Order: sequence, then C-alpha cells, then structure tokens
Amino acid sequence: QSALTQPPSASGSPGQSVTISCTGASSDVGGYNYVSWYQQHPGKAPKLMIYEVTKRPSGVPDRFSGSKSANTASLTVSGLQAEDEADYYCSSYAGTDYVFGTGTKVTVL
Amino acid sequence: QVQLQESGPGLVKPSETLSLTCTVSGGSMSSYYWSWIRQPPGKGLEWIGYIYYSGSTKYNPSLKSRVTISVDTSKNQFSLRLTSVTAADTAVYYCARGPSSGEEFEHWGQGTLVTVSS
Repeated sequence: QSALTQPPSASGSPGQSVTISCTGASSDVGGYNYVSWYQQHPGKAPKLMIYEVTKRPSGVPDRFSGSKSANTASLTVSGLQAEDEADYYCSSYAGTDYVFGTGTKVTVL
Repeated sequence: QVQLQESGPGLVKPSETLSLTCTVSGGSMSSYYWSWIRQPPGKGLEWIGYIYYSGSTKYNPSLKSRVTISVDTSKNQFSLRLTSVTAADTAVYYCARGPSSGEEFEHWGQGTLVTVSS
C-alpha cells in the first residue's frame, strides 16, 4: 500500500479556516468510510481528532470537521487558534491493513 | 482513562532483533485490538500490525516476514519483535489501542525512539 497523499504544508491566520486534503484510491479512502485524522505536536504522540470520516471523539473541539468525496478526504479547522499549529496525518482502512498520509504541517500565521 | 507506555532498548545493532513491550494501565485489554505504529525521524507514520486481546494478529504485508506481536493479558502487556533490523528500521515506535470500531487508533503511548546502529 502506498501512503495517502497530503499537501506538505498549509497555513492561515488566527480565526481563519484551513482545509487539508488526503488523496488515496478506491482500495482505501474511496472504498470505505473509515478515514481518521491525527494531530501531532513536535515530540508528542499523535492524537485522534476525527474518525469514520466525520465523527469527533469526546473532547475534540467542533472547530475540527471532516468530509470525503470519492478518493479524497478532507479535514477543516475553522477559527484557527495558535494551539492548532501541528502536523496532521490522515489514515484509512485499506481492506487488509491501514495506510497513513504523508502528513501536513499547519502553520498559524 | 487508558494509558500506554512503551519500553525496551533504545539501540539495536544491525541484523539483530528489536524487542519492545507496551504496558497498558487504566483499563482492561479485553475486547480491544492493540497496535504498533512507527515513525522514522522527520517522516510519516507506518502501521506495523495489531493483536486482538485473544491473540489473533494481522501484520503490514511489507513487514510481515519479520514481525511478531504477542500479548500477555495477565500482565496487561503486548510486545513487538522485529527481526533482521537495518538502519531503515530506526524510528519512534508507538503502541496504540485500536483499530476500534471505526478503524481508528484511539489512544497512543508517548513513543520510544529505537536507533539501529553498530
């Protein structure tokens, strides 16, 4: 399985929105509604932010939302805050295993 | 709140076997899947494999020939063995609870850096 494709970087000013794409194939992103998103601050473990494309775990702000169209999933962070600056990774179930995205560094300007 | 903690050697010689243990606290291992995921320095995440609390396993096809994951529910631990390591296996290794019902990895350990070098 090849890694899912994400843009290397994205940025926005405080209060603005930023959207990160995650492109795969019909064998992973397009084939299942099992896309999850993880936030990782430097030197820290990833934290689950979104699962099953659109669901938020308890405690995750509703500023974080997910969507999917065909083979591409997206994570939108609305009302950007300084603490949202981090790396973000998507992940998808791929039938027999799990594949992660290449990662996107979000910068809050 | 469940917590996970990785432990094991931070330095392994090329061609030798990498062995790590994950200790689970704050909850039972029963009815859950438990995974190992790694991240080479400055790179992305790679799923290594999972074990169900009862012992069934599934591995990443690219690592399958070198990986063994085992569980000891009496100690609330699960373990990773990766044989014939090379420099390409240098990474931060995370243990995690999952995949869960939505195929997500809910809880993660803090990670441990394993360097492969002579």
